[in-house]
Amino acid sequence: KNQVEQSPQSLIILEGKNCTLQCNYTVSPFSNLRWYKQDTGRGPVSLTIMTFSENTKSNGRYTATLDADTKQSSLHITASQLSDSASYICVVSETTYSGGYQKVTFGTGTKLQVIP
Amino acid sequence: DAGVIQSPRHEVTEMGQEVTLRCKPISGHDYLFWYRQTMMRGLELLIYFNNNVPIDDSGMPEDRFSAKMPNASFSTLKIQPSEPRDSAVYFCASRVSNTGELFFGEGSRLTVL
Repeated sequence: KNQVEQSPQSLIILEGKNCTLQCNYTVSPFSNLRWYKQDTGRGPVSLTIMTFSENTKSNGRYTATLDADTKQSSLHITASQLSDSASYICVVSETTYSGGYQKVTFGTGTKLQVIP
Repeated sequence: DAGVIQSPRHEVTEMGQEVTLRCKPISGHDYLFWYRQTMMRGLELLIYFNNNVPIDDSGMPEDRFSAKMPNASFSTLKIQPSEPRDSAVYFCASRVSNTGELFFGEGSRLTVL
């Protein structure tokens, strides 16, 4: 069964500090991996997408890495801000198509709290 | 574009009542998804539509749940009768292609007493 596991479940850091969130997956065959940010009471919003050939991708203070061999991804947040407080969800897509839909598997997320 | 629009944002109802959640996808998006989010299970796919046609409803938990998409700009998720275990946040999402980014609405928080 395809699975996406994220760690840690929750994290508290001081404003200005860096942090790294982890995502391990067993989804196969792999197509792409997205990191979503979900603010409290809001819907998830895509931060980055990683394909098989990409190792690193940045979006401002967010940097995602992908190791397709070990099936691991990380999301690194630099110089954290209070507005980074949110849940971060790892979403992995398969290349197989079910009725034309590229199946996705969601992680349960890491809840990040940035405190002053 | 205003994004995916869901209503109501919050719904509190009593067990046994009918609940209808509504969604307006982003114009031009041909895929529409309904998800349920709980603390224990995270985001779960309930059903998805392609060009208004239901493609896969295997995630719908029971016959009490039904979804329709009468046209490209509107979809409903209905629960009848509702039960306390249905309490969750229900998200609608749309995307323009089979492999594109999912755009989520703000969600409908349902509480069944």
